[in-house]
Amino acid sequence: KQEVTQIPAALSVPEGENLVLNCSFTDSAIYNLQWFRQDPGKGLTSLLLIQSSQREQTSGRLNASLDKSSGRSTLYIAASQPGDSATYLCAAADRNQFYFGTGTSLTVIP
Amino acid sequence: DAGVIQSPRHEVTEMGQEVTLRCKPISGHDYLFWYRQTMMRGLELLIYFNNNVPIDDSGMPEDRFSAKMPNASFSTLKIQPSEPRDSAVYFCASTRGWTYNEQFFGPGTRLTVL
Repeated sequence: KQEVTQIPAALSVPEGENLVLNCSFTDSAIYNLQWFRQDPGKGLTSLLLIQSSQREQTSGRLNASLDKSSGRSTLYIAASQPGDSATYLCAAADRNQFYFGTGTSLTVIP
Repeated sequence: DAGVIQSPRHEVTEMGQEVTLRCKPISGHDYLFWYRQTMMRGLELLIYFNNNVPIDDSGMPEDRFSAKMPNASFSTLKIQPSEPRDSAVYFCASTRGWTYNEQFFGPGTRLTVL
């Protein structure tokens, strides 16, 4: 069974810093990997989707990469802002299921 | 598009009562998912439908849980009878196709069983 891990569980950085969030998965036979943001008390908002044939996707200050061979994806956030404070989750999809990590709680300090 | 719509947003009930959660997916999406989120277990996939047909319900915790999708624009998740350990946030999500498109989540229903 696919297992998705996100380390660290929590991260605190000063405003303006560039940062990387990590997502690891155990089975490389994935169809895609998706990054989400979740604000307290809210639903999940999709940030980026990377197909298995792709290496990276970019949206504004966000860049997500995928390395299937090593079972890793990273979410790069440039010039972090207090508004980026949220929990970030990744999800790997295979032919049968979506598997979510437990998330990284990010706090950007003004 | 209004996005995925869930109702109610909050539900407080007593143990043993029946609870029905409702979801309207985004128009044109052919997959619908029900998830449960708790602090202890994170986000768990309970069941998903493709073109209104249940495909995988292996995540449904017990027979007390049931889900239906009578048409492309409506789904329900029912818990009968409810127990305190069912307290969680329940999310509905939908997507078009399995491989190439993002999942879109509803705002969730926060269920508290006393």
